[in-house]
Amino acid sequence: DIVMTQSPDSLAVSLGERATINCKSSQSVLYGFNNNNYLAWYQQKAGQPPKLLIYWASTRESGVPDRFSGSGSGTDFTLTISSLQAEDVAVYYCQQYLNTPPLTFGGGTKVEIK
Amino acid sequence: QVQLEESGGGVVQPGTSLRLSCAASGFSFSRYRMHWVRQAPGKGLEWVAVVYDDGNNKYYVDSVKGRFTISRDNSKNTLDLQMNSLRGEDTAVYFCARGFSGGFWFFDLWGRGTLVTVSS
Repeated sequence: DIVMTQSPDSLAVSLGERATINCKSSQSVLYGFNNNNYLAWYQQKAGQPPKLLIYWASTRESGVPDRFSGSGSGTDFTLTISSLQAEDVAVYYCQQYLNTPPLTFGGGTKVEIK
Repeated sequence: QVQLEESGGGVVQPGTSLRLSCAASGFSFSRYRMHWVRQAPGKGLEWVAVVYDDGNNKYYVDSVKGRFTISRDNSKNTLDLQMNSLRGEDTAVYFCARGFSGGFWFFDLWGRGTLVTVSS
């Protein structure tokens, strides 16, 4: 199984500042035949289900604000919130979907306001 | 309205059974792979099972193999999870989730979840 490791476990960022979350996979999630990284990011606010933010490592889901961006390839990925807003307080998860079953999630990163 | 709504959660004793259901509406249910994902209290997300569009292919996380059975009824737009021999570590909120179009194993639609508590 591919193990997904996120860092940090939590971070506190001032409103309007940049938040950066890292995700590392134990094996590459880059599929050579189509050159796509099989990596998604979700946002989960307290008491709510997760919400898809990013897939293919860098494609924003429809309706997701452009302050959210994903980058990286192979085994190392980053979710960036360019200018943190109050409504971005949440736990963020990465997930690989190349090597399934099982699909696997990272442990989550909690983002708070400093 | 495009949505998923789970039901069937509750408090049960170890070793007993429970059946969860998920009602889908607002989209062509039969065209999507459907999944169950769970979240233990205060913990992260864990994928549990998937059933393919036609109901013939099913896969499970190792920890539930032989105990849980996923199924679907495309005529009723419903997804089920039969959970037998429940253990304390099965305590979690169970979400049903729609797999992305094209059969990819990530999720663009989630239900609000139903809580299963396994305790004596």
